[in-house]
Amino acid sequence: GAVVSQHPSWVICKSGTSVKIECRSLDFQATTMFWYRQFPKQSLMLMATSNEGSKATYEQGVEKDKFLINHASLTLSTLTVTSAHPEDSSFYICSARDQGTSVGTQYFGPGTRLTVL
Amino acid sequence: SQKIEQNSEALNIQEGKTATLTCNYTNYSPAYLQWYRQDPGRGPVFLLLIRENEKEKRKERLKVTFDTTLKQSLFHITASQPADSATYLCAPADTGRRALTFGSGTRLQVQP
Repeated sequence: GAVVSQHPSWVICKSGTSVKIECRSLDFQATTMFWYRQFPKQSLMLMATSNEGSKATYEQGVEKDKFLINHASLTLSTLTVTSAHPEDSSFYICSARDQGTSVGTQYFGPGTRLTVL
Repeated sequence: SQKIEQNSEALNIQEGKTATLTCNYTNYSPAYLQWYRQDPGRGPVFLLLIRENEKEKRKERLKVTFDTTLKQSLFHITASQPADSATYLCAPADTGRRALTFGSGTRLQVQP
């Protein structure tokens, strides 16, 4: 099956620093990738849709200047949490839509646990 | 507004029994519905996709039904095993272009 990787799997940083998370589709191309955030015991909440070669589309309430998304190639999207604060601590998960399937099944990465001290 | 409802209570069953999880949706006209499994601290793993014109789909011990009249999907795991313990998420979708929206998930606990 299709594989999506994320790096790093976990990161601890100091308040005020920036953190970059990478999402890669390993065996398929993805013009569209999605970034989700998940708090403990809650479901996944969509943050933004990342489109290759164009600007990301952010969900209401998500600050685009704080969560910078770059989708520079058909297999890589990055999420940068700028000036991170403790309230940004969460589990960040990306997904990639497999263009090769008729309905565009979405495959998820393993997630990145961000802890901001 | 669109709503996806899954059993919020955890489902506890004995090993070997069949687990049945429910997904109800409102204000959706999904062309298909996907089921995922999520383990603690991990991203969701794709299990099965069923289209609106399919009543039932099977994959090994998994079976999914899709009733567009009732606006409901049922997810069955037969001969359940402790390794099946996880949270199961459903996601109806009307197009593959948009991001998936998930229900809150049902946590399944299979007792040995």
